[in-house]
Amino acid sequence: DAGVTQSPTHLIKTRGQQVTLRCSPISGHKSVSWYQQVLGQGPQFIFQYYEKEERGRGNFPDRFSARQFPNYSSELNVNALLLGDSALYLCASSLVLSGELFFGEGSRLTVL
Amino acid sequence: QKEVEQNSGPLSVPEGAIASLNCTYSDRGSQSFFWYRQYSGKSPELIMSIYSNGDKEDGRFTAQLNKASQYVSLLIRDSQPSDSATYLCAVRQDDKIIFGKGTRLHILP
Repeated sequence: DAGVTQSPTHLIKTRGQQVTLRCSPISGHKSVSWYQQVLGQGPQFIFQYYEKEERGRGNFPDRFSARQFPNYSSELNVNALLLGDSALYLCASSLVLSGELFFGEGSRLTVL
Repeated sequence: QKEVEQNSGPLSVPEGAIASLNCTYSDRGSQSFFWYRQYSGKSPELIMSIYSNGDKEDGRFTAQLNKASQYVSLLIRDSQPSDSATYLCAVRQDDKIIFGKGTRLHILP
């Protein structure tokens, strides 16, 4: 079975632009979480969705939004990009709401 | 948001020795605890989960949980160079999985 897939893998944006990151979970997994990881730090929780409903939100500004679709795939949107948004964005899926997460390879965002 | 604390390291351990990684958490209500391994340039992968006090063994890995003292540890026996990585402690708090900053482990050949 395919693992968690994320797209794009790398992207470069300029300040003020908007970005959409996409994630497809492992088949059968109903929960998707998004994390931001900067170099030398652990992943920072952004959102968790389960059965298409938001079930958790981390300490990120309203510029960050996400949604989960009927097929359980998910998108993370970031508006009005700042230099500090440059990071690796990780998507993880799980069967149910648990901490046993399976991560994708991430989308590396660079904001210039 | 409650904290999950880890020593950032690096922790250097000779090959064949036992590596001991520690983690403390501040939310006494936390119920689920996890260890992830992250190789440089890769995404985290789950290696252990533990839900009740005591020890849980899986091959060369042993996770230990002490809820009264609010700490979780991971022991790696017979350390191998391939164990060199960053080890992330994660704790479930409500509907959030909170990660520590990770401990860099370096196994010396």
